[in-house]
Amino acid sequence: GAGVSQSPRYKVTKRGQDVALRCDPISGHVSLYWYRQALGQGPEFLTYFNYEAQQDKSGLPNDRFSAERPEGSISTLTIQRTEQRDSAMYRCASSLGPGLDSNIQYFGAGTRLSVL
Amino acid sequence: SQELEQSPQSLIVQEGKNLTINCTSSKTLYGLYWYKQKYGEGLIFLMMLQKGGEEKSHEKITAKLDEKKQQSSLHITASQPSHAGIYLCGASTSNSNSGYALNFGKGTSLLVTP
Repeated sequence: GAGVSQSPRYKVTKRGQDVALRCDPISGHVSLYWYRQALGQGPEFLTYFNYEAQQDKSGLPNDRFSAERPEGSISTLTIQRTEQRDSAMYRCASSLGPGLDSNIQYFGAGTRLSVL
Repeated sequence: SQELEQSPQSLIVQEGKNLTINCTSSKTLYGLYWYKQKYGEGLIFLMMLQKGGEEKSHEKITAKLDEKKQQSSLHITASQPSHAGIYLCGASTSNSNSGYALNFGKGTSLLVTP
């Protein structure tokens, strides 16, 4: 597709379950970012990749959160042993590359995660 | 970390009126991005500003970055219902080439009434 694709669009899970959120970036985009957005707030950075290398994971809240991008394209954000406080909109964005001039980030529609 | 303050938090304007949204940073902005968010959709990129004093326009929307690169404004002329949504400013956290994660403001919710 032409844009950033995220799946699933909605995920309802029970506390303690693991979830995997998928992001398919725009073809050819080197950089991929994960953000989390709470209601009434702007997106908050979680982690990002250049190609398959995870460059910065300083925004991940704790070690239950992890992300990978094994082939430098599709990325998966995994949350283990989910808690109610993990409920939020998870957004993925991709850009041409890491340089300032190529860093316009294009966002997917997001995955709405609800932990019961 | 870089704090971005947006004002106003929300805005209701009558169709045809002009409006301005502001975004102020506590630190120098290396890149300032404006996005629009609609319910159920992703963030739609509007404009990016890098240089002090820079101004860009697209259709009826104009964005400016001040000379000191710590404040940006988004101005909409002759607003229309299609302009309704949440406007977010985001700023690069780094001036290196290792990547540019964005810090965002909380957003300004705009409603345009007939």
